[in-house]
Amino acid sequence: QKEVEQDPGPLSVPEGAIVSLNCTYSNSAFQYFMWYRQYSRKGPELLMYTYSSGNKEDGRFTAQVDKSSKYISLFIRDSQPSDSATYLCAMKSTGGFKTIFGAGTRLFVKA
Amino acid sequence: EAGVVQSPRYKIIEKKQPVAFWCNPISGHNTLYWYLQNLGQGPELLIRYENEEAVDDSQLPKDRFSAERLKGVDSTLKIQPAELGDSAVYLCASSRATATDTQYFGPGTRLTVL
Repeated sequence: QKEVEQDPGPLSVPEGAIVSLNCTYSNSAFQYFMWYRQYSRKGPELLMYTYSSGNKEDGRFTAQVDKSSKYISLFIRDSQPSDSATYLCAMKSTGGFKTIFGAGTRLFVKA
Repeated sequence: EAGVVQSPRYKIIEKKQPVAFWCNPISGHNTLYWYLQNLGQGPELLIRYENEEAVDDSQLPKDRFSAERLKGVDSTLKIQPAELGDSAVYLCASSRATATDTQYFGPGTRLTVL
């Protein structure tokens, strides 16, 4: 079993929809949780970075962490065609430099 | 501020040939990472440098892969000899110094081994 599980999709939604992306994990030592966006033929870029449990909002993006369930989510409101990309969840433990990535979910937002 | 620079962007070689990838991190970033990303997968760490020192190379297949970071800035990742299964994207990332610092990724080098 992988430490981080993420549905690869693809997920296709109409423009304006609310998108929900999720990951589960098995290592209870993970304390830092991240979401990266990766466009085709580009490197991942950091979208959201949260510590421990709770919510964090940044514009149209909201990240949620539920450590009791070992479950994290990224919500995208008012999705745009420019949001079409692969979204990678990632996490690491306190004091740890090693980041574990999910496989990524491919998202398509149709105009 | 310039981002992480990698070259070449694409490389096609025949199996058993050597290949090298180059990375220039963001200025001032002491930590440098090399990742391997297979199609449909997330990046997997190959090696991490703190300045010139390789502090985590446990996932680097040392029989054919090698890396160096001379003077604590640029880094080179080499494969010799390449195998068909090495076809993937090789990503370089850098961060400042602490474990909580953000990693910034380069665009990657897409390697195809024929």
